[in-house]
Amino acid sequence: AQSVTQLDSHVSVSEGTPVLLRCNYSSSYSPSLFWYVQHPNKGLQLLLKYTSAATLVKGINGFEAEFKKSETSFHLTKPSAHMSDAAEYFCVVSSFGPASKLTFGTGTRLQVTL
Amino acid sequence: NAGVTQTPKFQVLKTGQSMTLQCAQDMNHNSMYWYRQDPGMGLRLIYYSASEGTTDKGEVPNGYNVSRLNKREFSLRLESAAPSQTSVYFCASTDSPLEQYFGPGTRLTVT
Repeated sequence: AQSVTQLDSHVSVSEGTPVLLRCNYSSSYSPSLFWYVQHPNKGLQLLLKYTSAATLVKGINGFEAEFKKSETSFHLTKPSAHMSDAAEYFCVVSSFGPASKLTFGTGTRLQVTL
Repeated sequence: NAGVTQTPKFQVLKTGQSMTLQCAQDMNHNSMYWYRQDPGMGLRLIYYSASEGTTDKGEVPNGYNVSRLNKREFSLRLESAAPSQTSVYFCASTDSPLEQYFGPGTRLTVT
């Protein structure tokens, strides 16, 4: 079985400073990993995905994540936070099989202050 | 393309009442899913349908039933609602392991 652990339930940064949201995964095989974002009272949007090609994955809105097998990590970063980045972020792992079942982390709420 | 649509957007039920949440997708996807989202717990899979005519239990199926009506539609039924089923429910669909597309959600309160 696969799982993900998001190490921080809440992260607060100032606008213009770097963002780091941490995620560790557990999987018995090479995983597919994702970051999804959910803005208040909205649905979920895919930020980026890792599928065993390049280990550094670039996503939308300037976000990127690096897959580190030795550390079983898939941390999400952005060089400079914007007020519009305030949202909940989910690290997700996908299973193999006829239906790609997703297992979600518990989420990290990102607060961006002036 | 509407993507994934869900009805209703909001619902309040009394304990013991029943209701059906509707989901439809217009992307011709084979697989569809129902999740519930509770504070501090992320999204948890209730049921899924890998293809038309098949359904399987996910992580938290108790108290729910599903119907894959056709390739487009996947409904979730609460036969006898309980306060523990107060949650936000999301439907999703996909045709690849690389991305699931989510609906806007249904906010359900059971009193």
